Amino acid sequence: ILNVEQSPQSLHVQEGDSTNFTCSFPSSNFYALHWYRWETAKSPEALFVMTLNGDEKKKGRISATLNTKEGYSYLYIKGSQPEDSATYLCAFNPSDYKLSFGAGTTVTVRA
Amino acid sequence: NAGVTQTPKFQVLKTGQSMTLQCAQDMNHNSMYWYRQDPGMGLRLIYYSASEGTTDKGEVPNGYNVSRLNKREFSLRLESAAPSQTSVYFCASRRTVEAFFGQGTRLTVV
Repeated sequence: ILNVEQSPQSLHVQEGDSTNFTCSFPSSNFYALHWYRWETAKSPEALFVMTLNGDEKKKGRISATLNTKEGYSYLYIKGSQPEDSATYLCAFNPSDYKLSFGAGTTVTVRA
Repeated sequence: NAGVTQTPKFQVLKTGQSMTLQCAQDMNHNSMYWYRQDPGMGLRLIYYSASEGTTDKGEVPNGYNVSRLNKREFSLRLESAAPSQTSVYFCASRRTVEAFFGQGTRLTVV
């Protein structure tokens, strides 16, 4: 079993505030680290796939960083909006095609 | 472009019954996956198939079998359903980068 851990499990953010949360994963056999956004009653959709140590990706107000040596990634949301409310999943992709997810961080943005 | 299609969307089974969940993708992806989603546990990998003709166990394979029928289709079979298998099941596929998910199958075993 691959230990992919996300923290916190949930967080509440005031509209306009920025926030961040963590994904930790095994630092050996690294191929890629994925972030997905999962809205209630929908399917997960990819935000980022990062492959290189030091990678930084950005999509609008959401960005992510990657540290493969120490086995963690941060997802940042700048100026949170109600539409950012969702569960954010990270997934560890080692070199053998396996794709293992963490339990997710559920973000609720209060207007 | 249908993407990843799962059938059925909903199913209720009695304990001990068997059924097969179907998944098909039209994106010419090599890898396909089956996950189950339970409250507070994210997505747990049941089985995956790196390419046509190969399948491997994931984190929670007990009670399930899979078949990679061809490049498009990857089915999940419950031989003797148990209440612990009540869950939402997601199929996913990918080529080399991000995964694309089906809409999910909500399975209840009573």
